[in-house]
Amino acid sequence: SQQGEEDPQALSIQEGENATMNCSYKTSINNLQWYRQNSGRGLVHLILIRSNEREKHSGRLRVTLDTSKKSSSLLITASRAADTASYFCATPYYNTDKLIFGTGTRLQVFP
Amino acid sequence: DAGVIQSPRHEVTEMGQEVTLRCKPISGHNSLFWYRQTMMRGLELLIYFNNNVPIDDSGMPEDRFSAKMPNASFSTLKIQPSEPRDSAVYFCASTTTGTRATEAFFGQGTRLTVV
Repeated sequence: SQQGEEDPQALSIQEGENATMNCSYKTSINNLQWYRQNSGRGLVHLILIRSNEREKHSGRLRVTLDTSKKSSSLLITASRAADTASYFCATPYYNTDKLIFGTGTRLQVFP
Repeated sequence: DAGVIQSPRHEVTEMGQEVTLRCKPISGHNSLFWYRQTMMRGLELLIYFNNNVPIDDSGMPEDRFSAKMPNASFSTLKIQPSEPRDSAVYFCASTTTGTRATEAFFGQGTRLTVV
């Protein structure tokens, strides 16, 4: 079963625009992670935010976490064609080590 | 470290045959996960190990699937007998879990086609 659901399922933007993806999850968590998957490749970790953090930055990435709403957002600023990929959120299921992934957002950045 | 290594990268087999997928996790990681990815069902967790012990195999679809981790540096996922609906990309991932949890590192996956 899916723990998280991403919204939107697909997103198309022009280079230079910002891309925002949202993730909702169901259980209590101690951290939330975002991953990227290029077509035909394995997932690559982008950023981890712990439950006591509200916002975290890494380069052009900004992640927010609202544990009261059980939601997180990933913002990619000044997007590039190379950002074209699927993006997934992942959470430990009921604070176990069982890492469950959401349904993913397919991002297409047009040059 | 070379990262998580999976083999083979591609496997094409006939229905009814046994298939064995292999994974070498990153040295020092204490947890290993097997996932299956399809267009219809997304990324599903099949089983995960902690310190070589299977902790949760509730995602294993049927008795035809089995997984082992005989030591900290090797795991296998076996399908016997294979069926066309098993066609998918199978990923192995390893990480450090517990109070000092860190990100999971994925292998490149094994693309399985059962004809």
